[in-house]
Amino acid sequence: DIQMTQAPSSLSSSVGDRVTITCRTSQSIGSFLDWYQQRPGKAPKLLIYTASTLQSGVPSRFSGSGSGTDFTLTISSLQPEDFATYYCQQSYITPWTFGQGTKVEIK
Amino acid sequence: QVHLQESGPGLVKPSGTLSLICSVSGDSIDANKWWSWVRQSPGKGLEWIGEIYHLGSTDYNPSLKSRVTVSVDKSKNQFSLKVMSVTAADTAVYYCARQTVRGDFDYWGQGTLVTVSS
Repeated sequence: DIQMTQAPSSLSSSVGDRVTITCRTSQSIGSFLDWYQQRPGKAPKLLIYTASTLQSGVPSRFSGSGSGTDFTLTISSLQPEDFATYYCQQSYITPWTFGQGTKVEIK
Repeated sequence: QVHLQESGPGLVKPSGTLSLICSVSGDSIDANKWWSWVRQSPGKGLEWIGEIYHLGSTDYNPSLKSRVTVSVDKSKNQFSLKVMSVTAADTAVYYCARQTVRGDFDYWGQGTLVTVSS
């Protein structure tokens, strides 16, 4: 299985801050990397697919980059509704695997 | 608008079988998509369980493969999950999700909590 390692596991930031979350995979996956947002008690929501393509309806403050084994999710200006847990997922080969999550909390 | 909804018992006894159904609206289960099950143990991350293609092909997480079956009912536009010989470790919120040909999960059900307890 491809192992997914996210960093940090949690962070505290203020509204308006720029936030960066990283995801590293145990083997190269090209650009087959997706990002999800999960609010408490809700299902995950797709934000970005194939590393850098914004899902329809997702605000442009979210962006993704990377390829191979190292990927980044950036929120350019954190908004109150962005406080949630973020997961990366590799869509390169089954079994599909997810990172352990990064919880973004209010400072 | 695509909508997925999980249904099934919220409590299953140890050694029993967990059975869930995902009802799909706004899309045909016969479309060129994969239909998946993902679970999340309390306070933990996401674990992919398995998937089915409209033609009936399936793929499972090797960690669960011996106990899991995913099937589809095209007449009802539903797909289902069975997990046999459950233990407390199978207690989780179970989600059904639509997977695109790219591999990402673009639509999810709201999730249903299944507790394994006597």
